[in-house]
Amino acid sequence: DTEVTQTPKHLVMGMTNKKSLKCEQHMGHRAMYWYKQKAKKPPELMFVYSYEKLSINESVPSRFSPECPNSSLLNLHLHALQPEDSALYLCASSQDRWYRGYEQYFGPGTRLTVT
Amino acid sequence: QKEVEQDPGPLSVPEGAIVSLNCTYSNSAFQYFMWYRQYSRKGPELLMYTYSSGNKEDGRFTAQVDKSSKYISLFIRDSQPSDSATYLCAMSLLTGNQFYFGTGTSLTVIP
Repeated sequence: DTEVTQTPKHLVMGMTNKKSLKCEQHMGHRAMYWYKQKAKKPPELMFVYSYEKLSINESVPSRFSPECPNSSLLNLHLHALQPEDSALYLCASSQDRWYRGYEQYFGPGTRLTVT
Repeated sequence: QKEVEQDPGPLSVPEGAIVSLNCTYSNSAFQYFMWYRQYSRKGPELLMYTYSSGNKEDGRFTAQVDKSSKYISLFIRDSQPSDSATYLCAMSLLTGNQFYFGTGTSLTVIP
């Protein structure tokens, strides 16, 4: 099973709302990622968790708050977003860097629209 | 200079053609090389993965890595309309948890 699941598929939120995106994988991967992707652009890295600890934060605004409750689950909490934050939010996972088979698997994404 | 360069296309070919997609990179320390296919409004799907140099074949797809030239390729044989998508290359170092993406090449296979 090489599946990464994400919920919800679509989300529309106002600028004053608080919402969360959820990502799950059951491949035993120990690294999990959040990316933001705008139309016709490659995925842009936001956060990396390695062994449930935040290891990379690519200078993302504090209105995005990641959380890794356990090795299979990754959340992205959203608060006071701006319309320019509308994008496809992708979750991915990979085996830890010390393993061969280091390829990264993506979920289907959450399409977020901020009104 | 970007870490990974990829011609964005668009590339349009007739059904049955052989397609060649390429990426160049600047960091000779890259060791892992991946190709993803992304349909419109969907997440990227891993197609091929190669560690270090060499070729890898999977059905109609062949991935090649030439580390001396810092050049990777994906070949699609007998292309089908269902291959119409954006193809992204990605690569990473031996250490660290960061992947570097090309900008993607948009491919259309015309029936």
